[in-house]
Amino acid sequence: QKEVEQNSGPLSVPEGAIASLNCTYSDRGSQSFFWYRQYSGKSPELIMSIYSNGDKEDGRFTAQLNKASQYVSLLIRDSQPSDSATYLCAVNVVSSGSARQLTFGSGTQLTVLP
Amino acid sequence: DAGITQSPRHKVTETGTPVTLRCHQTENHRYMYWYRQDPGHGLRLIHYSYGVKDTDKGEVSDGYSVSRSKTEDFLLTLESATSSQTSVYFCAIRTKQENNEQFFGPGTRLTVL
Repeated sequence: QKEVEQNSGPLSVPEGAIASLNCTYSDRGSQSFFWYRQYSGKSPELIMSIYSNGDKEDGRFTAQLNKASQYVSLLIRDSQPSDSATYLCAVNVVSSGSARQLTFGSGTQLTVLP
Repeated sequence: DAGITQSPRHKVTETGTPVTLRCHQTENHRYMYWYRQDPGHGLRLIHYSYGVKDTDKGEVSDGYSVSRSKTEDFLLTLESATSSQTSVYFCAIRTKQENNEQFFGPGTRLTVL
């Protein structure tokens, strides 16, 4: 079982809609959770960090964390074509032997249709 | 861009040749990481460093070595490149001690023929 799982997509939403991206993780001791956005041919860019249960909002982005169910999600409100990218979920997996490492999901490709 | 540069940005080499990739940071962060990214596999950790001369292996370290003789530079070496090492390589730095937020460099696209 992979430690961090995401639906690979592709996920398509119309412009102005809410895009919902999901990520599940296997290690209950995980403490830090991150969402990265990666445009084609570019490097990953950190867009959200979340450390405690509940919602964290930053502009059009909301990260949601539920440690009991071991999932973290990213909502993008009022989606724009410029949001079209691959979104990577990353988790600080403590059981990997070191809290110094992040484990990444394989990413969800999002397309926002004009 | 968190003050990270990588060189070269693109490289084509032949099987069996040695290759060294360089990651340079300007902000004196302690932790530095090397990842590779391949279709279907996402980002996978190769090696990381937690200080000068302090390094550890990641998930896919076979065939790679690293060195860190100065805080600002983290080198990744493929001693004898193979076609399976064709990939995009990203360097990252960890900017905060209390969590593991990482910021990535622009990447190096390596092709091994």
